[in-house]
Amino acid sequence: AQTVTQSQPEMSVQEAETVTLSCTYDTSESDYYLFWYKQPPSRQMILVIRQEAYKQQNATENRFSVNFQKAAKSFSLKISDSQLGDAAMYFCAYRSANRDDKIIFGKGTRLHILP
Amino acid sequence: DAGITQSPRYKITETGRQVTLMCHQTWSHSYMFWYRQDLGHGLRLIYYSAAADITDKGEVPDGYVVSRSKTENFPLTLESATRSQTSVYFCASSEYGRETQYFGPGTRLLVL
Repeated sequence: AQTVTQSQPEMSVQEAETVTLSCTYDTSESDYYLFWYKQPPSRQMILVIRQEAYKQQNATENRFSVNFQKAAKSFSLKISDSQLGDAAMYFCAYRSANRDDKIIFGKGTRLHILP
Repeated sequence: DAGITQSPRYKITETGRQVTLMCHQTWSHSYMFWYRQDLGHGLRLIYYSAAADITDKGEVPDGYVVSRSKTENFPLTLESATRSQTSVYFCASSEYGRETQYFGPGTRLLVL
């Protein structure tokens, strides 16, 4: 069975600095998708970024980028120029490309932005 | 407005009562999902549906019932609520063959 592990329950970063959130996963499949979701205090789940496992190039969305290491089964999220609005719970998630559309979530990392 | 909505947003009920949480999406997405979110567990899948009249169990289905008579609606029923079902419930949807799920705003349920 696939698992997703986020080893950092909480992190803090100074405003305008860069922070990296870690995620590792376990799977025997070769084709899958990885996601980072953001959950602000409003509790809405917002897709931040996604990565296709067959693509070697790391995904980037404005200030958000990932470091995808397929062999190491690692999928970290880097947030550059951190802003107060980035404060939220961040969830790493995995979805197989070979089955139905179930997503497996990590337990989350709470990110605090220090002014 | 287009998107995915959930109702009610907040609900307090008593042990043993039946409760139905509603989910509605306007995108005509094939897939719909119900998750619960609890401290220490992240999001766990309760049930999902690949299309109207097709549903399947997720990780934690016990105590819940779903139906999907129309593509746009996916209600979740707690037949006899228990305190352990106090949680935040999220509905999500995705297009067939597309990997990204879009989430509703959530329903906070408190079972006394």
